[in-house]
Amino acid sequence: ELKVEQNPLFLSMQEGKNYTIYCNYSTTSDRLYWYRQDPGKSLESLFVLLSNGAVKQEGRLMASLDTKARLSTLHITAAVHDLSATYFCAVVFNDMRFGAGTRLTVKP
Amino acid sequence: GAVVSQHPSRVICKSGTSVKIECRSLDFQATTMFWYRQFPKQSLMLMATSNEGSKATYEQGVEKDKFLINHASLTLSTLTVTSAHPEDSSFYICSARDPGYEQYFGPGTRLTVT
Repeated sequence: ELKVEQNPLFLSMQEGKNYTIYCNYSTTSDRLYWYRQDPGKSLESLFVLLSNGAVKQEGRLMASLDTKARLSTLHITAAVHDLSATYFCAVVFNDMRFGAGTRLTVKP
Repeated sequence: GAVVSQHPSRVICKSGTSVKIECRSLDFQATTMFWYRQFPKQSLMLMATSNEGSKATYEQGVEKDKFLINHASLTLSTLTVTSAHPEDSSFYICSARDPGYEQYFGPGTRLTVT
């Protein structure tokens, strides 16, 4: 059974600081996704990572994938308040399974 | 980009009644659609996978007689919550997979059972 573990579950950051969210998964997969969810809303796609060593960046967010370690990271650089949201990683095996989510709060 | 719609966005129903939620892929054909449920402050949990023209596959612990799924066409899947109870109140999100195996998520339906 595919398991997806995400940590931390809660993250309170100060503006301007850097931090990393981790996503471990238990079974070989050919794609990993990062999503953002704002309260009361559905998912917003951030990144899809398809191969070992893949790195993608958009603004203050950068995602990477190590398929050998079955680990993906989402790095936040110089956090701003607008990044406050819940972030999910999701792994595709036969279907898509989600991590528990990281609730990020960025404080001034 | 690919768009998935859901209707209604919000629904309130009385305990014991049934409610139907529609999920449509607007600009692509989806042979497979997925239904997820999300309780407050929790992750998305896969409820079932539906393939066009065949019976849905339900995840362990999901009552197939309570959550009826019909994937009648390549652009439409419906989820009917039968004999709804307050514990069925949740955020239901559908997802459609395109021929390239990319999944796109709908905007979600907030179900409140009173």
